[in-house]
Order: sequence, then C-alpha cells, then structure tokens
Amino acid sequence: DAGVIQSPRHEVTEMGQEVTLRCKPISGHNSLFWYRQTMMRGLELLIYFNNNVPIDDSGMPEDRFSAKMPNASFSTLKIQPSEPRDSAVYFCASSRLTGGRDNEQFFGPGTRLTVL
Amino acid sequence: SQKIEQNSEALNIQEGKTATLTCNYTNYSPAYLQWYRQDPGRGPVFLLLIRENEKEKRKERLKVTFDTTLKQSLFHITASQPADSATYLCALGYGGYQKVTFGTGTKLQVIP
Repeated sequence: DAGVIQSPRHEVTEMGQEVTLRCKPISGHNSLFWYRQTMMRGLELLIYFNNNVPIDDSGMPEDRFSAKMPNASFSTLKIQPSEPRDSAVYFCASSRLTGGRDNEQFFGPGTRLTVL
Repeated sequence: SQKIEQNSEALNIQEGKTATLTCNYTNYSPAYLQWYRQDPGRGPVFLLLIRENEKEKRKERLKVTFDTTLKQSLFHITASQPADSATYLCALGYGGYQKVTFGTGTKLQVIP
C-alpha cells in the first residue's frame, strides 16, 4: 500500500495566485481530512469528508479556501487568491470508519506551501 | 473556551530513562484520546488510542493513562532511545465522529 499520496510536495507561489493541492487517500478508506500546520497554531483541521461528502468545514478559514472530493480516490484543496499568511504545511489524512475501533488517521507527507 | 495543552518546551531526557509527556484539556468531554508521533518533514503517525472508560493502555514500551476527572492524559516511553526523539501530539475525539482536535505537541529529545 502506497499510503496517502499528496502533490505537490512543495509549492512556491506569489500572492494572488491560485493554488491547488491534491490528495489520494488509502484505498478502502472512507474518510478524508485536510489539515494545516504552522508553528504558531499547530495542526488545525480545515475540513473532513465521509464517503465523499463534506461533513465539517468549520475549520476552513475563509471563502478563499475550497475543497472537493469528486470520488473516493481523489480530493483537492484550493486557495484562490493565495496570501502570504496561507504559508504552512498542508496535510491530507484518511481513515476507515470501523465502528469504534482505533479511528487512527493515516497522514500523507504534506505539501509545504510558501506564498510570497 | 476549549483548550488542549501540551508541554510547550522541549523535553530532554537521558537514554534509558522514562519520558513522560502530558496532555491537559479544558472544556472538552472526549470519548477517546489518541497519541501521534511526528518526525521533522513528515506527517503524524498514530501510536495509541485510549477511551474514556479506560484508565491505562500499553503497547510495547509505551504507556498511556487517561484521567477524565483531572482532564489529563500522560504518555510514557520507558527505556527511552535516541530513536524516540520526535514531536508527540495528543488528539481528542468524540464517539461516533472521526474528527479529532490536536494539541500543539511536545518535542522530545533523547540524549545518548
């Protein structure tokens, strides 16, 4: 199993540009999470999907952020327009709801985003 | 307001000793608590889960306790090794939901 796959691994862009981050969850997992990690705020949940449906997007900072999950094997997080304060590491994680087991989340390697 | 607190300063410990990390929370009533390990440049990796009705859970050299009265979890690594050096994150979750809220993490350094 390849684990959770994220692309790109690094992204450097200029303020005002559109940024699209991609995630392929582990096959068979039915939940997908997008997180943002910074030194100041730690690991913050942005949005999570269950069976491709957004369940909780209360962590999405503002309308500039949007996320989609068109099918069980792909999700995108888009920032438009990007701002320097969006610079962070963005993680995607997936898990399989198993009726109260460990609920462990499997994280991807992250995308380091720098907005100049 | 809800808050999850972990040791903000790095924890340095001698190899072979037991490392103890704390996770304190306020204004939460979690159904379970997870611990993750994060190495530099990588995503967190799940280690252990403990439920609200469990006092203690063990896995190899790891031990986790959960005191819902004190609103605290302790994470112990016995016979610590330099390879245990990493940042450790606690995460609180609720029954029926997979969403968890992470603490800010504690950086552990095991000195040979």
